[in-house]
Amino acid sequence: AQSVTQPDIHITVSEGASLELRCNYSYGATPYLFWYVQSPGQGLQLLLKYFSGDTLVQGIKGFEAEFKRSQSSFNLRKPSVHWSDAAEYFCAVGGNKLVFGAGTILRVKS
Amino acid sequence: GAVVSQHPSWVICKSGTSVKIECRSLDFQATTMFWYRQFPKQSLMLMATSNEGSKATYEQGVEKDKFLINHASLTLSTLTVTSAHPEDSSFYICSAREPTGQYEQYFGPGTRLTVT
Repeated sequence: AQSVTQPDIHITVSEGASLELRCNYSYGATPYLFWYVQSPGQGLQLLLKYFSGDTLVQGIKGFEAEFKRSQSSFNLRKPSVHWSDAAEYFCAVGGNKLVFGAGTILRVKS
Repeated sequence: GAVVSQHPSWVICKSGTSVKIECRSLDFQATTMFWYRQFPKQSLMLMATSNEGSKATYEQGVEKDKFLINHASLTLSTLTVTSAHPEDSSFYICSAREPTGQYEQYFGPGTRLTVT
């Protein structure tokens, strides 16, 4: 069965510091992987996606993610966090249907 | 591009009444739309997949007679919560997929339903 694990429920980083949000997945075939961001009371915005090819993918807002098949991971990174990045981040896997992780709430301290 | 809207953004209704939520793809035609439910501080739970012109496919455990989904056109899907009860209070989010895309879904801003 498909599943996504985001082991960190909350993460707090200082503004300007680097960020890595972890995502591990279980999927029976070649996965399609996504990262979404959700601000309070809002829908989800697609940050980036991986389907095939280069395992390092670039997204919007300065985010990137690296697909590591051997580790079944698709971690999200950003070299320098801004206060406006505070939100909840969801990793998702799937094709016709998406399975979402539980989300990681990012807090940014000034 | 790929903008999805929902209406209303929030609604309060009395127990036993029905409420309709609209989901529209504004700048693309969506052959497939999805309805999710999100509980506070939890992830999204897929309720159903809606294909234009055909019956929706509901996930296990979702009552199809309670959550009526209609996808009458390529830009509009509606979710009607019938005979709503307080336990139906939740954040409902729709998404749409472009027919030329690669499985990515574009999400609406969500509808906060409160049943009193």
